[in-house]
Amino acid sequence: RKEVEQDPGPFNVPEGATVAFNCTYSNSASQSFFWYRQDCRKEPKLLMSVYSSGNEDGRFTAQLNRASQYISLLIRDSKLSDSATYLCVVIFNTGGFKTIFGAGTRLFVKA
Amino acid sequence: EPEVTQTPSHQVTQMGQEVILRCVPISNHLYFYWYRQILGQKVEFLVSFYNNEISEKSEIFDDQFSVERPDGSNFTLKIRSTKLEDSAMYFCASRPGGRHQETQYFGPGTRLLVL
Repeated sequence: RKEVEQDPGPFNVPEGATVAFNCTYSNSASQSFFWYRQDCRKEPKLLMSVYSSGNEDGRFTAQLNRASQYISLLIRDSKLSDSATYLCVVIFNTGGFKTIFGAGTRLFVKA
Repeated sequence: EPEVTQTPSHQVTQMGQEVILRCVPISNHLYFYWYRQILGQKVEFLVSFYNNEISEKSEIFDDQFSVERPDGSNFTLKIRSTKLEDSAMYFCASRPGGRHQETQYFGPGTRLLVL
């Protein structure tokens, strides 16, 4: 089983739609969780950290379920500019700290 | 807003040659990282660096790779004898350190092509 797993998509949605991504992780020693977005041939950019209590930033909501070992990202009212690859990132504490990226979920928002 | 910078943006080299990729992390950051991303694949952790030593490295980071912080501002990744499969985008990242400051900030990357 992969350490961090995401549905690669692509998700094709119209503008204004709500879309949700899930990410599962295999190691219960996971410490910190993040969603990054990556545009084509660019660096990953932090979208939001994910906390146990869940957190919201404008149109974006992230949730963490430690019991089931998954995190989610909900995007409401999708914009054309939301088209990107969304990367789930988990930091494991296994003696040292390892940062593991998921392979990403591709989102296309169409007019 | 301060940002991580990387040079060069592109590097083409012959197989077997040494390359040095350079990064300038954000100035008050304490933890530094190198990642690579082969075209079409996921971002892979290579190494983390703190307090002038490697704190963690992956299986990819073998004896061909080394890192250095030679002058307190630059953070370099050296590949001693490049192989075709080293062709990838290499990202540097840094973070402030301290509890609840685990967000890593990425540079724009160096695209390495080994011929």
